[in-house]
Amino acid sequence: EAGVAQSPRYKIIEKRQSVAFWCNPISGHATLYWYQQILGQGPKLLIQFQNNGVVDDSQLPKDRFSAERLKGVDSTLKIQPAKLEDSAVYLCASSGAYQETQYFGPGTRLLVL
Amino acid sequence: SQKIEQNSEALNIQEGKTATLTCNYTNYSPAYLQWYRQDPGRGPVFLLLIRENEKEKRKERLKVTFDTTLKQSLFHITASQPADSATYLCASYTDKLIFGTGTRLQVFP
Repeated sequence: EAGVAQSPRYKIIEKRQSVAFWCNPISGHATLYWYQQILGQGPKLLIQFQNNGVVDDSQLPKDRFSAERLKGVDSTLKIQPAKLEDSAVYLCASSGAYQETQYFGPGTRLLVL
Repeated sequence: SQKIEQNSEALNIQEGKTATLTCNYTNYSPAYLQWYRQDPGRGPVFLLLIRENEKEKRKERLKVTFDTTLKQSLFHITASQPADSATYLCASYTDKLIFGTGTRLQVFP
């Protein structure tokens, strides 16, 4: 079974630029999550999708972050404009319906200069 | 606000010994706790889940306990090996998973 795929793996941008991350969850998984993990901290949930609907985006900085999951499969997370404090690893995870286990992708490491 | 704390940033132990990691939460009652392993440059990998009505769970060399009175979970790795060296994350669930900052375990020969 293929795992959660994310791209790119690394991205370096300057502040005020925009960036987008892509996630392909495990086939058949209805729930998709985006987390932000700052160095030395645990992952923090940014947004949770159930199929293509948003379940929780309470911790998403909506003035600069946006996410979508068209057709309930792949998802993209965008930051526009980026700030220095957005430097972090962005993790995508997925889980099956009624499953508590989350399967994480390798993450995208973002550095904002 | 809901917080979960892992007491040790780092833990160094000798191969063959039991590693014990601690996770504490305050002011709320999680439905369950999860433990994940994270290696450098990789995403977390699920290890164990324990529900609020369970006292102990085991999986091979891993054991987790959940004490709702102390608001604490302990994670044990018995007969530890250098390959167990990684960061271990505790997470609590109410309406979302909230992760601790992790404990970096180093097992030396």
